[in-house]
Parts: sequence; C-alpha cells; structure tokens
Amino acid sequence: SQKIEQNSEALNIQEGKTATLTCNYTNYSPAYLQWYRQDPGRGPVFLLLIRENEKEKRKERLKVTFDTTLKQSLFHITASQPADSATYLCALGNSGYALNFGKGTSLLVTP
Amino acid sequence: DAGVIQSPRHEVTEMGQEVTLRCKPISGHNSLFWYRQTMMRGLELLIYFNNNVPIDDSGMPEDRFSAKMPNASFSTLKIQPSEPRDSAVYFCASSFGTGDEQYFGPGTRLTVT
Repeated sequence: SQKIEQNSEALNIQEGKTATLTCNYTNYSPAYLQWYRQDPGRGPVFLLLIRENEKEKRKERLKVTFDTTLKQSLFHITASQPADSATYLCALGNSGYALNFGKGTSLLVTP
Repeated sequence: DAGVIQSPRHEVTEMGQEVTLRCKPISGHNSLFWYRQTMMRGLELLIYFNNNVPIDDSGMPEDRFSAKMPNASFSTLKIQPSEPRDSAVYFCASSFGTGDEQYFGPGTRLTVT
C-alpha cells in the first residue's frame, strides 16, 4: 500500500541555521508533491508545489527538492527564525486524484 | 474572500448523539474535501467532492458517517450516532481542481464523551 513517511520526531534547531525536513514515500509514483505548514489549532496552509519533472523549487527562504529515483523530497528553510516553528506536512498527488498527506514533522526554532 | 468557513469551531456531545459539521468552500472552487486529524493517525481524507458530486468516500470510517454537498457553497458531514473514538479535529478544504493546492478551514474540534 502507499506509504508516506515523515520524521515523527521533532526537529530542534537554532535560529539562523538551515532546517531540513524529509518526506519519503513507497509504492507511489506521484506527479507532484506539495508542502504545507500547520500551526497549533489551525488548518494546514499551502507553501510550495513541485512537479515530478522539477528537481528543485524555491520561494524566498524555502527550497524543495524532489528525487523520484530516491522517492524522496527535502524541504529546506534557510536562515530559520522562531516564527518558522510549526508542523510541516508533505502531500503527494496525481492529476485527478486527491492528495495523500504525511503525518508531518514538528519544527522548533530556538533563539 | 473569507476563506473556507467551518462551523461550529468546537463541539462537545455525548455518545449516541447526532453531530453535524458544516463547511462553506471558497467561491469558485470545484473540489471539496473532508479530513479528520488525530495525533495517532495524522490527517486522514474522509471523502471528497468534485462539482458537488462525491468522488471517493473510501475514507469514511463506517456507516455512521455521511456527507452531502447540496450545492457549490455548502457541505455537511454528519455522524450518527457519535462515539468517543470519533473525537478529533475535522477539517474541510477546497481547491480549484482535485489535485490543486488546497485551502483549509479552521477546523471543528469534536469531543464525544
């Protein structure tokens, strides 16, 4: 069955460092992958979408990579700030089908 | 646009009671999704609609759950009878198309005692 794995352990980093979150998947061939941010008590918010034919996508301090051979996406936040502390969810999709979400990884950026 | 609107924001009910959750998607969006989120299971897709038609309800836990979308601006998720294990946060989301970026509502926190 399709499986999406995100590190269940929280990632703690110091302000100013680069945070790297991992999304691995098995038994799946997604056409694209999306990343969302979720703050406590709120719904997820869309951040970035990367397609299978794209290796890398950037948006301000965010960078996403997508390796269909490794079946992995990496999500980077450069120059991290305490305000970046949240849970980050990856979601895999194919055209015409609903997204399949991972359970998310909690990021804590300390001053 | 006000975004996806959900009501109520919090619901506390006793086991056996009927619960109805409501959602108003973003105007112009053609797809609507209902999710349930718990610490243990994460974000689970329950059902989704495309142009008001249910497309996939395989995530609905059992017959106690039902969802409707009578028009493009309103959807309901009903649980009857409710059980303590239904306690979770229920999210509604909408998007232009099924695989497009989704816009989530604030969620309804349901507690069944």
